[in-house]
Amino acid sequence: DADVTQTPRNRITKTGKRIMLECSQTKGHDRMYWYRQDPGLGLRLIYYSFDVKDINKGEISDGYSVSRQAQAKFSLSLESAIPNQTALYFCATSDRTAMKQFFGPGTRLTVL
Amino acid sequence: AQSVTQPDIHITVSEGASLELRCNYSYGATPYLFWYVQSPGQGLQLLLKYFSGDTLVQGIKGFEAEFKRSQSSFNLRKPSVHWSDAAEYFCAVGGVTGTALIFGKGTTLSVSS
Repeated sequence: DADVTQTPRNRITKTGKRIMLECSQTKGHDRMYWYRQDPGLGLRLIYYSFDVKDINKGEISDGYSVSRQAQAKFSLSLESAIPNQTALYFCATSDRTAMKQFFGPGTRLTVL
Repeated sequence: AQSVTQPDIHITVSEGASLELRCNYSYGATPYLFWYVQSPGQGLQLLLKYFSGDTLVQGIKGFEAEFKRSQSSFNLRKPSVHWSDAAEYFCAVGGVTGTALIFGKGTTLSVSS
């Protein structure tokens, strides 16, 4: 089984809808991250969490919220989706040294 | 400001030829440096990483990278490219504070026969 899983893998939604992307990990890591990837822009950090009670905004947090339900679960929500949130979203985890991040397979989100 | 620059957006290399992908970084502390590869439709796979010590690091799939502090560079190399190496490559930097990685915008590698 994969160490970092993301659901759904693909999602098409409409403008204004609320959507949640979920991430689960079996690596036992404390730290979890959400990135978005856009063509030509690389990966940009949305939110990160160092433990269940520690959540921090990243470079592009506007329009997003997160929930760390447990050490193993970190969800990303779009309260009211807009077309420019169409992107590939990656969840990642790392241990406390953060020396290496492990990435999930990604969720491709399309907002019409 | 902390940043990573990959100057080449797209590179085409003939199969069997050598490859060098450039990466320059700006980071206020001791950097941890990474190269990731993303094949079409796939997630990110770590190719190699540099934390300290020997400035020439070996990775998977025959890749290597050299850390040059004086040039703030961490270029990725491979002596002989295979068609399966066609992918997008990302350089990233992190630090001892353990915050999230900062990624470059990526270089797309095409391999011609």
